[in-house]
Amino acid sequence: GQNIDQPTEMTATEGAIVQINCTYQTSGFNGLFWYQQHAGEAPTFLSYNVLDGLEEKGRFSSFLSRSKGYSYLLLKELQMKDSASYLCAVMDSNYQLIWGAGTKLIIKP
Amino acid sequence: IAGITQAPTSQILAAGRRMTLRCTQDMRHNAMYWYRQDLGLGLRLIHYSNTAGTTGKGEVPDGYSVSRANTDDFPLTLASAVPSQTSVYFCASSDSAGGTGELFFGEGSRLTVL
Repeated sequence: GQNIDQPTEMTATEGAIVQINCTYQTSGFNGLFWYQQHAGEAPTFLSYNVLDGLEEKGRFSSFLSRSKGYSYLLLKELQMKDSASYLCAVMDSNYQLIWGAGTKLIIKP
Repeated sequence: IAGITQAPTSQILAAGRRMTLRCTQDMRHNAMYWYRQDLGLGLRLIHYSNTAGTTGKGEVPDGYSVSRANTDDFPLTLASAVPSQTSVYFCASSDSAGGTGELFFGEGSRLTVL
């Protein structure tokens, strides 16, 4: 079966750096997405990786290793507003998105 | 700019009743999707439409139906609601069906079936 694994919850301190991991097993691969979802709100797009390596976008970076079935989202200079759930999703060979359950990130002052 | 709009925002429904969740987008996106989100689970695809006039079944289609009469609207109907359909429902759209474009989500419809 297809599976996306990410930690259920993580806690970090304001101003620090946090890495949220995502491992996947899917039938084929056509890209990996990260979305941010604040409580009670809709998910919003953060990043897309289809080739191995690091994609940097401001305070957020996303890394992909296709051979390891692994990605991480790196958040730097954490702010209180970064408290949210972070969803990892993989597009399989049929171009269907398979979603992880999300990682709830709690930022403490 | 509205983007993608869902209605109602929240609804409590008696089991056995019929319910339609509305979804409208003004971005002229070809592809539209309905997901449900339940605590501890990832988003699960209910139905999708790659372009106006076509629809397809997702991972959890049973008990739901959709239509896509035009580009903008993609309503989701529960013919006879059951308590297991209590969930938050998200409509989404993208400018390329099955492609690598990002999804744009509506604000969600919280449905409680008693």
